[in-house]
Amino acid sequence: SYVLTQPPSVSVAPGKTARITCGGNNIGSKSVHWYQQKPGQAPVLVIYYDSDRPSGIPERFSGSNSGNTATLTISRVEAGDEADYYCQVWDSSSDKGVFGGGTKLTVL
Amino acid sequence: QVQLVESGGGLVKPGGSLRLSCAASGFTFSDYYMSWIRQAPGKGLEWVSYISSSGSTIYYADSVKGRFTISRDNAKNSLYLQMNSLRAEDTAVYYCARGGAEITGTTSPFDYWGQGTLVTVSS
Repeated sequence: SYVLTQPPSVSVAPGKTARITCGGNNIGSKSVHWYQQKPGQAPVLVIYYDSDRPSGIPERFSGSNSGNTATLTISRVEAGDEADYYCQVWDSSSDKGVFGGGTKLTVL
Repeated sequence: QVQLVESGGGLVKPGGSLRLSCAASGFTFSDYYMSWIRQAPGKGLEWVSYISSSGSTIYYADSVKGRFTISRDNAKNSLYLQMNSLRAEDTAVYYCARGGAEITGTTSPFDYWGQGTLVTVSS
């Protein structure tokens, strides 16, 4: 089965740039979506189809996907960005949805 | 605005059954794929099942295949998850989420989520 690997945690100072990676075999050939989840809340879509931003999501959130790694980049990090972030793809070879294990973003 | 409201969660004994419902509003329900996604306490997200807009195509995670059944009633704008032979490891918050339209199907993101309903499997 297809596996997505994320670092368990990323820490960043306010105003700096956070990069959260999502590794998978030839993930660059798949469409990657990213979700933000704050404690006690449902996940929220923040990046879809690798790099598109839903309306209402700040331009500080961006995404890229190439080779074996997809990356969610959060520029000018704010305290309110502290959350868990999950990447997700559809594995067409097995017809299953796949989530990464999640990354806890801590704003120092 | 798009709303997804889950219901039906609760405490059930191992081996028992439960049926979750998700009431959808604010969009043309019959145009969209729908999915169930769960999250065990303190754990990450796990995709559970997907159903096409017409209900003709269904996918399951290996962990629930043969025990769970996803269905939908487009006339009632509702999504369901029948859960049988429940195990302790099925304990989780279950989210209903909107997938893509027919043309984009399963590669689409889950763009709207409900608030979830908690299922606890314990004796």
